[in-house]
Amino acid sequence: DTAVSQTPKYLVTQMGNDKSIKCEQNLGHDTMYWYKQDSKKFLKIMFSYNNKELIINETVPNRFSPKSPDKAHLNLHINSLELGDSAVYFCASSSTSGGSADTQYFGPGTRLTVL
Amino acid sequence: AQTVTQSQPEMSVQEAETVTLSCTYDTSESDYYLFWYKQPPSRQMILVIRQEAYKQQNATENRFSVNFQKAAKSFSLKISDSQLGDAAMYFCAYRRTQYSSASKIIFGSGTRLSIRP
Repeated sequence: DTAVSQTPKYLVTQMGNDKSIKCEQNLGHDTMYWYKQDSKKFLKIMFSYNNKELIINETVPNRFSPKSPDKAHLNLHINSLELGDSAVYFCASSSTSGGSADTQYFGPGTRLTVL
Repeated sequence: AQTVTQSQPEMSVQEAETVTLSCTYDTSESDYYLFWYKQPPSRQMILVIRQEAYKQQNATENRFSVNFQKAAKSFSLKISDSQLGDAAMYFCAYRRTQYSSASKIIFGSGTRLSIRP
């Protein structure tokens, strides 16, 4: 059973294009996140949604727009892709209640390459 | 602001031996969580172990255990009987209180662990 899934796993595109990455979790969690891992493996949070409401919005260019149609989904749309957007993007989810509250479970990551 | 520091970019251990990965953090909070995540070459982020700051007892998960020193703000990971499958990047992470859904995870820079057969 897949807990947190992301599509696609690999994305290669040209500079200037617009692309989306989708994330779905079947854990019943109420909070979802997007992280960016750069080439040096440094992981940093970008956004977080709780019950479809944006609660964390780090210093991220406006070209990045998250959308949460429901608690189980959090998508990331990127406009006008730049070379510096090349990275691995991780989706994660967590619950604010229960025994494992606040433990974040990660998706497999999407490797984005901008040419 | 909270920070997490992993001072060992790389570590190497002989198979079946024990290795300890270091992590220190800085926070003014009294209630928080600490985690160790493992990222193998498959790049999947896998939770290894979690520690609640209010618990004095060190968390253990099979061959993995932590040494949590709250006063020193230290949170090291000990891997006993190292196996080839333990080879991965290990990230130490910090998260604020249980009751704040707006609390983000802050990751250290990672330690790459290799296992010598």
